[in-house]
Amino acid sequence: AQTVTQSQPEMSVQEAETVTLSCTYDTSESDYYLFWYKQPPSRQMILVIRQEAYKQQNATENRFSVNFQKAAKSFSLKISDSQLGDAAMYFCAYRVIQGAQKLVFGQGTRLTINP
Amino acid sequence: EAGVTQSPTHLIKTRGQQATLRCSPISGHTSVYWYQQALGLGLQFLLWYDEGEERNRGNFPPRFSGRQFPNYSSELNVNALELEDSALYLCASSLDRNRQETQYFGPGTRLLVL
Repeated sequence: AQTVTQSQPEMSVQEAETVTLSCTYDTSESDYYLFWYKQPPSRQMILVIRQEAYKQQNATENRFSVNFQKAAKSFSLKISDSQLGDAAMYFCAYRVIQGAQKLVFGQGTRLTINP
Repeated sequence: EAGVTQSPTHLIKTRGQQATLRCSPISGHTSVYWYQQALGLGLQFLLWYDEGEERNRGNFPPRFSGRQFPNYSSELNVNALELEDSALYLCASSLDRNRQETQYFGPGTRLLVL
């Protein structure tokens, strides 16, 4: 069974600085997708970034980038120039390409931005 | 473009009652997913519908059921409510099962069972 682990229940960072959130996963599949979702206090889940496992290049979206290490089954999220609006729960998620389309989520990391 | 919508935003029921939650996907999306986010249990996959058919089901009892309508909107029904069913229920949609598309989430329905 696929599992996703986020070992940092809480993280904090000073505004304008950089923070990295960790995620590891376990799977026997070779092709899959990985995602980071953000859940602010409004509770709406918002897609931050997506990585296809077959792509060696790490995905980036503006201030958000990932460090995808397929052999190590690691998928960390780096947030540069942190802003107060980045404060939220961040969830790492995994999905196989074929078959069941369900997302498997990690436990989440609560990120606090200190002004 | 309107996002995924869910209704109601909040629902209060008593143990043993039935709850019905509704979801409208993004226009053009045919796949709808339901997830439960219960305190301390994280996000758990419940159900996946595509083209009106149930495609996959998570590890939940049969009293959790649903359906998808011809317009691709979906309903989640929870029968014989138990206290531990109190949770945020999130609906997500994606284009279709044959294209490897991202799931986009609605704002959720918060169910409280007393």
